[in-house]
Amino acid sequence: DIVMTQFPDSLAVSLGERATINCKSSQSVLYTSNYKNYLAWYQQKPGQPPKLIITWASTRESGVPERFSGSGSRTDFTLSISSLQAEDVAVYYCQQYYNDPVTFGGGTKVEIK
Amino acid sequence: QVHLQQWGAGLVRPSETLSLTCSVNGGSFIGYYWTWIRQSPRGGLELVGEISHTGSTRYSPSLKSRVTISIDRSQNQFSLKLSSVTAADTGLYYCARGYCSGTNCYRSDWFDSWGQGTLVNVSS
Repeated sequence: DIVMTQFPDSLAVSLGERATINCKSSQSVLYTSNYKNYLAWYQQKPGQPPKLIITWASTRESGVPERFSGSGSRTDFTLSISSLQAEDVAVYYCQQYYNDPVTFGGGTKVEIK
Repeated sequence: QVHLQQWGAGLVRPSETLSLTCSVNGGSFIGYYWTWIRQSPRGGLELVGEISHTGSTRYSPSLKSRVTISIDRSQNQFSLKLSSVTAADTGLYYCARGYCSGTNCYRSDWFDSWGQGTLVNVSS
């Protein structure tokens, strides 16, 4: 199985500042035939199920604010929140869908400083 | 807009069977994978298994011997049974809709709609 490792486990960021979350896969999730990275990001707010926010490492789902952006390739990925808002307090998870079974990172908790 | 509503017992005794059902409303049942994902008390997410609208199932290798996922197309519902539960099966169980982005699909890529979750506690 591909192991997904996220870091840090948690971070506290001031309102309006940038939050950066890292995700590393134990093997490449880049499919060279289409040059796509098979990686998704989810946001889980307290008391709610996870919500899909990004696919293909950098494609925002419909309705997701532009302050959320995904980047990276092969084994190293980043989710950035350019200007943290109060409603962004959540745990964020990465997930690979390159290999079977799909696997998730352990999550990064984002809080307000 | 698809809506997933799930229900089932929140307290299960050790060695007994966990049973959950998920109803799919407002969207097509066809062309997706209907999935159960669980979240441990520490927060980790694990795919339990999934079923296609045709009834083809895939289960987590670590749970395969104990899991059964079934589908009722007439009711737009799907169900999870996990037998011989232990305390290690305690957690939050979600039903979800899995989407496959390719043309020769055999499993979900990502999960774009989720139920509200059922907290299952395995305890005597």
